[in-house]
Amino acid sequence: EDKVVQSPLSLVVHEGDTVTLNCSYEVTNFRSLLWYKQEKKAPTFLFMLTSSGIEKKSGRLSSILDKKELFSILNITATQTGDSAVYLCVKETSGSRLTFGEGTQLTVNP
Amino acid sequence: NAGVMQNPRHLVRRRGQEARLRCSPMKGHSHVYWYRQLPEEGLKFMVYLQKENIIDESGMPKERFSAEFPKEGPSILRIQQVVRGDSAAYFCASSPGTTSGNTIYFGEGSWLTVV
Repeated sequence: EDKVVQSPLSLVVHEGDTVTLNCSYEVTNFRSLLWYKQEKKAPTFLFMLTSSGIEKKSGRLSSILDKKELFSILNITATQTGDSAVYLCVKETSGSRLTFGEGTQLTVNP
Repeated sequence: NAGVMQNPRHLVRRRGQEARLRCSPMKGHSHVYWYRQLPEEGLKFMVYLQKENIIDESGMPKERFSAEFPKEGPSILRIQQVVRGDSAAYFCASSPGTTSGNTIYFGEGSWLTVV
């Protein structure tokens, strides 16, 4: 079975801290790696990564993929309470099948 | 441009009844995916459909569950003779196609409670 492993599973920080979320995956039929944010509703899209070493940025969030070592990281700088959510790392395989990691529960305290 | 629309948002069924969940993909999207999120668990793939075709149903339970995406109308996930363990959030997602770079967008989900 395809596996996507995220760490840590849970993280509690204070506003203003910087966090790094990790994701490792298996290489089988890899097409892309995606990051989603889920706040008690549908996951919302953050990033799609297909190429190694190219950082994608959106405001305080950034992500990068290492296809040699089979991992990705999601960075959030200057965290805010609104960043509190579950962050899902998702591997897309050929055939557009998505395999989700268990998610990292991020709590940002004021 | 409306997003992926799911209904009902919340559904309560007694054990043994049938549940039907509907999903209208985003305009221009011909690929639909269903995922299930059980309490305290991650999202799990169930089925991938294109219009009138089931492409991959390897995540569907062998019994009681079926899905369709007719030529006209929404995709439907049907659960017959529901049991308590079917209580979960069911998410539908859609994409334009299978070319890499086509982002998959999720609906708001349908919460099924079996009592």
